[in-house]
This record gives sequence, structure tokens and C-alpha cells, in this order.
Amino acid sequence: DTAVSQTPKYLVTQMGNDKSIKCEQNLGHDTMYWYKQDSKKFLKIMFSYNNKELIINETVPNRFSPKSPDKAHLNLHINSLELGDSAVYFCASSPYDRANTEAFFGQGTRLTVV
Amino acid sequence: GIQVEQSPPDLILQEGANSTLRCNFSDSVNNLQWFHQNPWGQLINLFYIPSGTKQNGRLSATTVATERYSLLYISSSQTTDSGVYFCAVELSQGAQKLVFGQGTRLTINP
Repeated sequence: DTAVSQTPKYLVTQMGNDKSIKCEQNLGHDTMYWYKQDSKKFLKIMFSYNNKELIINETVPNRFSPKSPDKAHLNLHINSLELGDSAVYFCASSPYDRANTEAFFGQGTRLTVV
Repeated sequence: GIQVEQSPPDLILQEGANSTLRCNFSDSVNNLQWFHQNPWGQLINLFYIPSGTKQNGRLSATTVATERYSLLYISSSQTTDSGVYFCAVELSQGAQKLVFGQGTRLTINP
């Protein structure tokens, strides 16, 4: 009964490969996000989707392409992986309600590009 | 954009001690959350507290929105409290996204 789940938890891949991370939430939330945590633990928004529509693209390279098949899923596809893409990627969701926008996070996917 | 500053950056305490973590932010916010990132990397929700005071067991938080700061209190620390504590805010007039502070790394020694 995990609220926000993402797979895989760990991903090790070579430079130049293409990979995907999947995210699903069962909280009934309308808004989903991808955040990136760098090696210094700093967390920053990448994308925000509301009801399958892109709201925020925070100057992320176009090698990163999120896809939302329905409002419970937000997947992240990364093309031509680079060493600098190594990080922990977190999926999150929240209600789309100004009175309550509490966000809940998945367990993270640690991506290592070698 | 909005600035979120947390202090102290690092804190080392003995088990049983109390601590106060601070989060200052530079603009009006619609949402403020405190998270604990445990040693396994999970981000655990502690408080959703855009204003006021909340308590949950040994933890409590206070946000004074008019003065643009929030405090997280941890009493009678346990070794399992170790990890990084993040404050994150959502602008009142912005799109829905959380802007994170840089975190406070708390180490509780037995």
C-alpha cells in the first residue's frame, strides 16, 4: 500500500544509454513531480504535471522526457545518459488544491552513469 | 527566486539532547514542509505547516509566516533521529513546486 512508488531503486548504466524510471501514486493526487538530488544533497524540481499536462519544466535538458499516461503515473525517460546525470531522482505527488498542497515523495532512484 | 536558508548546516548531539533547527525564507509562501531524509535516503514527511504550531510526539514545528521563518524542535533525541532535515516551501504566487533549503545534517551519538 505504498503511496508513491518508483522503480527501479538503483540503476547503473553506461554513458550514452537510454533509461527510464517509472512512478506511480495511489493517493488520488492530481499533480506529480520529478525532483533531482545532487551529490551535495541539494533537491531541485525538474518537472511538474497536473492531470497529465506539463506545468513546469525547470530548464531541464531535452534529453529528459517525462511522460504521464494518466494522472496516477509519471515516468521519466532519459536519452544519451551523461556522467553528470548521476544523482538520486525522486518522484512526488500532491493534491491540486491551494488549501492543501502537501507533497509526498517516493523512495528515490539512485542513477549511476559510468 | 525565493531563497530558503536552513541553519545550522551540521549539528552533532548526544542521545537525549534537545535541538532546534531553523528555516528562513525570503517571500510569502502557500506551503511549508519539513522532511527527514534518513540514512537510507527516504524523504519522510514530518510536518505540513504553512503557519502555526504542530506537534507529533517528540517533534514539534512552528511557522511564523509574517516573519518568514519556521522552527523544528526535536526533544530527547534518539540515534534514529540522525539524518538530514529539509525545509521546503511553495511560493504563494507561484506554480506548484517545492523549493528546498540545503538541509541540516543531524548526527545523534549514543
